Amino acid sequence: EVQLLESGGGLVQPGESLRLSCAASGFTFSNYAMSWVRQAPGKGLEWVSSISGSGNSTYYADSVKGRCTISRDNSKNTLYLQMNSLRAEDTAVYYCAKTTPPDWYFDLWGRGTLVTVSS
Amino acid sequence: SYELTQPPSVSVSPGQTASITCSGDKLGDKYSSWYHQKPGRSPVLVIYQDTKRPSGIPERFSGSNSGNTATLTISGTQAMDEADYYCQAWDSSTAVVFGGGTKLTVL
Repeated sequence: EVQLLESGGGLVQPGESLRLSCAASGFTFSNYAMSWVRQAPGKGLEWVSSISGSGNSTYYADSVKGRCTISRDNSKNTLYLQMNSLRAEDTAVYYCAKTTPPDWYFDLWGRGTLVTVSS
Repeated sequence: SYELTQPPSVSVSPGQTASITCSGDKLGDKYSSWYHQKPGRSPVLVIYQDTKRPSGIPERFSGSNSGNTATLTISGTQAMDEADYYCQAWDSSTAVVFGGGTKLTVL
């Protein structure tokens, strides 16, 4: 079955770090770009970051640039998002999504993992 | 930075046609995609590259994109189509951009 399964979310205090993971199955992971998209409670979708299939190219939204690092391990079919210096405004459900360039649409989404930043 | 604008809400009667617009500067020069999202669920791609439907998406969903506006059209709208709808595009300056979302109500 083709699926994405996120993990690693939780409650953290402002300034702390968290690493999200996304396990992929059912498709040739290394052939596809992957992305993280988040959704704050009651709000719309916000793109966070994307990475090419090889991992050689990465892209970030201005809101997380310098604080987040996207990476992937193609031998483990797993996508990661390292988030540092977390802020209250980073509170959201984080989805990983299979991504198709060059127009970067998202044709497969995981169920999401909730990150809550609060003291 | 590039922005996409959607109406906050659209209402439609069952069986009628719903149109949801997405506006952005020269959006017609880019590819647009559309997603629907039901409460508590993950987004689902319904249109990509302006007009293409992924497998499993009903034929009643169609898309167009010209000038500054992309449009998602749902023909013969059903109660199950009630959801939030988001447009999305890629821009060289901003990378991936989503519209603010439109709540479709079927009543």
